Amino acid sequence: QQQVKQSPQSLIVQKGGIPIINCAYENTAFDYFPWYQQFPGKGPALLIAIRPDVSEKKEGRFTISFNKSAKQFSLHIMDSQPGDSATYFCAASMNFGANNLFFGTGTRLTVIP
Amino acid sequence: DGGITQSPKYLFRKEGQNVTLSCEQNLNHDAMYWYRQDPGQGLRLIYYSQIVNDFQKGDIAEGYSVSREKKESFPLTVTSAQKNPTAFYLCASVSVTANYGYTFGSGTRLTVV
Repeated sequence: QQQVKQSPQSLIVQKGGIPIINCAYENTAFDYFPWYQQFPGKGPALLIAIRPDVSEKKEGRFTISFNKSAKQFSLHIMDSQPGDSATYFCAASMNFGANNLFFGTGTRLTVIP
Repeated sequence: DGGITQSPKYLFRKEGQNVTLSCEQNLNHDAMYWYRQDPGQGLRLIYYSQIVNDFQKGDIAEGYSVSREKKESFPLTVTSAQKNPTAFYLCASVSVTANYGYTFGSGTRLTVV
């Protein structure tokens, strides 16, 4: 059973566009929601994370929107660049990230110049 | 620099052979994890360990074994019982007190020849 459902599986946008990746979860005990970015042949790297006491968090061009009542969260990439082309994973865990992470299935993003 | 090191980067296994993948971290993290990633797929949990000398099976533990004799080290052995071992293997660690989420290694690509 997939604890975190992620969509879409792949996404292609033009440079400057705003790709949006969505994730949904069922377990209301989750209290930490990170996003990881993975380039081919590399390990995932933490991009940005949010806790359920806020509805939005921005770090540079990356924004997480969080809807606690709908049990959904999403990643927005402003002014996307070809260098943002990577696979993005959402995840969720309990105990503010100190416990096991449950990962989404990943979204392969391609930004066309 | 603190980090998590996986070696080797590439590994080739003959049919019926056991191989061991190394994972070392100097982050003083308590918990360590092994994931398998197949092309275009998400991350599947193989084994994890939250304290020394203790570990638990993940979703796909069959054909794999681990040990955790030191806090810094969590080697993964891919045994001959694993019938389809060709994949990208990722090790991760996390502090159960610092709430910073997972840190991943750069991965080992295992190929059966």
